[in-house]
Amino acid sequence: GAGVSQSPSNKVTEKGKDVELRCDPISGHTALYWYRQSLGQGLEFLIYFQGNSAPDKSGLPSDRFSAERTGGSVSTLTIQRTQQEDSAVYLCASDLIGEQYFGPGTRLTVT
Amino acid sequence: DQQVKQNSPSLSVQEGRISILNCDYTNSMFDYFLWYKKYPAEGPTFLISISSIKDKNEDGRFTVFLNKSAKHLSLHIVPSQPGDSAVYFCAATRKEGSSNTGKLIFGQGTTLQVKP
Repeated sequence: GAGVSQSPSNKVTEKGKDVELRCDPISGHTALYWYRQSLGQGLEFLIYFQGNSAPDKSGLPSDRFSAERTGGSVSTLTIQRTQQEDSAVYLCASDLIGEQYFGPGTRLTVT
Repeated sequence: DQQVKQNSPSLSVQEGRISILNCDYTNSMFDYFLWYKKYPAEGPTFLISISSIKDKNEDGRFTVFLNKSAKHLSLHIVPSQPGDSAVYFCAATRKEGSSNTGKLIFGQGTTLQVKP
């Protein structure tokens, strides 16, 4: 069965450039989450989509970060004008019945 | 403000023995707790969860204990196997009866090494 997939698996970008990270959740899962894990840290919540409700954006670290979820399925996390402190593994998860299933993550390196 | 803390960054145990991983939280509104296991270059994998209405949940070799008065939970792995070597994260949320977990607040993780 298909799990949560994310692309790209690795992304190296120059400081100041914009990046888009993609998440394909498990089919039928109504909730979708973005987290990031910086080096040596735990997972930090970023944003949460639940069905047609307004997303919970309380974890986004700055207005350079945004995310959308189209058609209740695929989600894109966009980081504008990337900074070196944005370097981290960005993880997506989807959830239906109380367990969050994570994708493999996108490792973002800002040089 | 770290609402979920795993104070031991690492733990080493012998194969066959018990592994005990600990987690403390500060927010009394949390009502659902989860443990995840993470291998390098992979996303976290769900292990076991517990609702605040319980004090113990068991699944095979894995048992989670919750002490609400102490705001403390622990994961016991018995017997430990070399394949259990990974980073373990505890997480907490305020689920309030919803079918979804909502946003999870994670601890920093504990690296478990099980020696053969």
